[in-house]
Amino acid sequence: GENVEQHPSTLSVQEGDSAVIKCTYSDSASNYFPWYKQELGKGPQLIIDIRSNVGEKKDQRIAVTLNKTAKHFSLHITETQPEDSAVYFCAASRSGGGADGLTFGKGTHLIIQP
Amino acid sequence: DARVTQTPRDKVTEMGQEVTMRCQPILGHNTVFWYRQTMMQGLELLAYFRNRAPLDDSGMPKDRFSAEMPDATLATLKIQPSEPRDSAVYFCASGLVFGTSFSEQFFGPGTRLTVL
Repeated sequence: GENVEQHPSTLSVQEGDSAVIKCTYSDSASNYFPWYKQELGKGPQLIIDIRSNVGEKKDQRIAVTLNKTAKHFSLHITETQPEDSAVYFCAASRSGGGADGLTFGKGTHLIIQP
Repeated sequence: DARVTQTPRDKVTEMGQEVTMRCQPILGHNTVFWYRQTMMQGLELLAYFRNRAPLDDSGMPKDRFSAEMPDATLATLKIQPSEPRDSAVYFCASGLVFGTSFSEQFFGPGTRLTVL
């Protein structure tokens, strides 16, 4: 089955700086790669996703890149703000949109220092 | 504001007791997932349903866990008997498959289960 590795487990950055979280996956048939943000006491919420026919996708301060050859994808957050502090999870799926479930990485605790 | 709801939000029980967690998917969604979150294992897929039919429960311990969808508005996850190692946060998520497309997965707030 699929295995998703995520690094780092904790990331502390100064407010206004950029944050980068990286994930690798094992199943070359995976074609959908979402990123979720989880705040304390809440369920994960989708913030951005990318499909295997795209190399990069951007939404305001958030961007995701995908390298299918190397089987890794990354989340980039620019101009970080205090409200970006949360746990971020990457995931992978063989099915479009994750229709058959997602395999998650272990998460990155992002801390934005004021 | 459509959202997935889960009850109870918190449950403390003793080892050996039966536990039932409930989920109400977003109205109109035809796919429901159950995930378990622990510090050690992270988020793991336990089972999922489409149009109320179970499609995959390979992530679920078969001897004590069972998942059902009595109707389109209710999914249940039952543990009998519960054990301390079942302590975790259990999330339900729902989504809509239409044709070859799928909406994103919308997660509920979770049920925090503590088995003493």
